[in-house]
Formats: sequence, structure tokens, C-alpha cells
Amino acid sequence: AQTVTQSQPEMSVQEAETVTLSCTYDTSESDYYLFWYKQPPSRQMILVIRQEAYKQQNATENRFSVNFQKAAKSFSLKISDSQLGDAAMYFCAYRISYGGSQGNLIFGKGTKLSVKP
Amino acid sequence: EPEVTQTPSHQVTQMGQEVILRCVPISNHLYFYWYRQILGQKVEFLVSFYNNEISEKSEIFDDQFSVERPDGSNFTLKIRSTKLEDSAMYFCASRTDRGLSYEQYFGPGTRLTVT
Repeated sequence: AQTVTQSQPEMSVQEAETVTLSCTYDTSESDYYLFWYKQPPSRQMILVIRQEAYKQQNATENRFSVNFQKAAKSFSLKISDSQLGDAAMYFCAYRISYGGSQGNLIFGKGTKLSVKP
Repeated sequence: EPEVTQTPSHQVTQMGQEVILRCVPISNHLYFYWYRQILGQKVEFLVSFYNNEISEKSEIFDDQFSVERPDGSNFTLKIRSTKLEDSAMYFCASRTDRGLSYEQYFGPGTRLTVT
């Protein structure tokens, strides 16, 4: 069974600094998707970034980028120039991509990120 | 931008009562999901729904739970006889399957409190 592990329950970063959130996963599949979701205090889940496993290039979205190491089954999220609005719970999620699956997401336990002014 | 909506935002019910949580997915989406998040814990998959039937369900989704798409726009989750441990945030999500667009769009959630 696939599992997603986030080993950092809480992280803190100074405003304008860079922070990296860790995620590892376990799967026997070769084709899948990985996601980072942000959950602010309002509790709505917002997609931050997505990575297709078949792509070697790391995904980037403005200040957010990932370090995807497929062999190591590692998928970390880097937030550059941290802003107060980045404070939230961040969930790493995995999704298998073959056609027979309906694509339910498997989530990690989350990392609570605090941003200090 | 289209979004998933959920009603109510907060539902309080007594143990043993039936509750229906409602979701309106994005209109051109084909796959629908329910997830739940017990306070302080991770988000857990409950069920997926496609072509008017359940596609996959987790161990959590037992006989007390059911889903329905009654009118082509709403997607509902029913809990027949609520238990204290059903208290959680329930998220609906939907996605299309056009090309590589596999992103699931989440609704704002319904907070269910069972007393």
C-alpha cells in the first residue's frame, strides 16, 4: 500500500527567508502524481504545486518549487521569500496515475508552517 | 473561476441522527470524492464516484455512509446514524479527466459536530 510521510509536524521561518518542507512516500508504482496542498486556518485545501513522476524536471510555481528525487522517493517543497500569508498547514499527497484508478489522494499528516514577521 | 461549493459550512447533530452533507462540484467535472479530516489529523479518503456509481471506497466508508448524485449537479454524502467519532471536517472534491488535468479541486468543507 502506498504511504506518505511528513516527518516535520511543525516548522517556522522568518519572513522573506526560505524554508523547505520534507515529504517521503512509498510506492511500487512507476507512474504517479505528487502534490502539495496548503490548508490555511479557513481549512480550505488549496493546491500549491504538482509533479508528474515521469518528469525529471522539478516543478515550480512562482515562489514555490519542489525537489523531486524519484529513486529516493522524496518530494520536498521549498518556499522562497516567505510571506505571512504562507502560514498554514501543508499536506503532501500522492496519487496513482493508471487508468483503472479513480485517483483518490493519499495524504501525509501535514506540516504546520509558521511565518515570523 | 469555477469552484466546488459545500453546504452547510457547519452542521451540529445529535448522536444517532442522520445527516446529509451537500456538495456542488465544478460543472464539467466527471469524478467526485469525499474526504474527511478529524481535527488535528490527516485528510483521509472516503469514497470516489464516477458515472453514477461508487468507484472506490475506503475502510472508513462502511454501511452507515452512502453517496448520491440526485440531480446531475449535487453530490451528497449521507451518514445514517451518526456517532461521536464521525465529528470531522468533510471535504468534497471533483476533477475532470481531460488530458493531464488530474487536479482535484476541493470545496471549503463542512464541519460536522456530533454531540
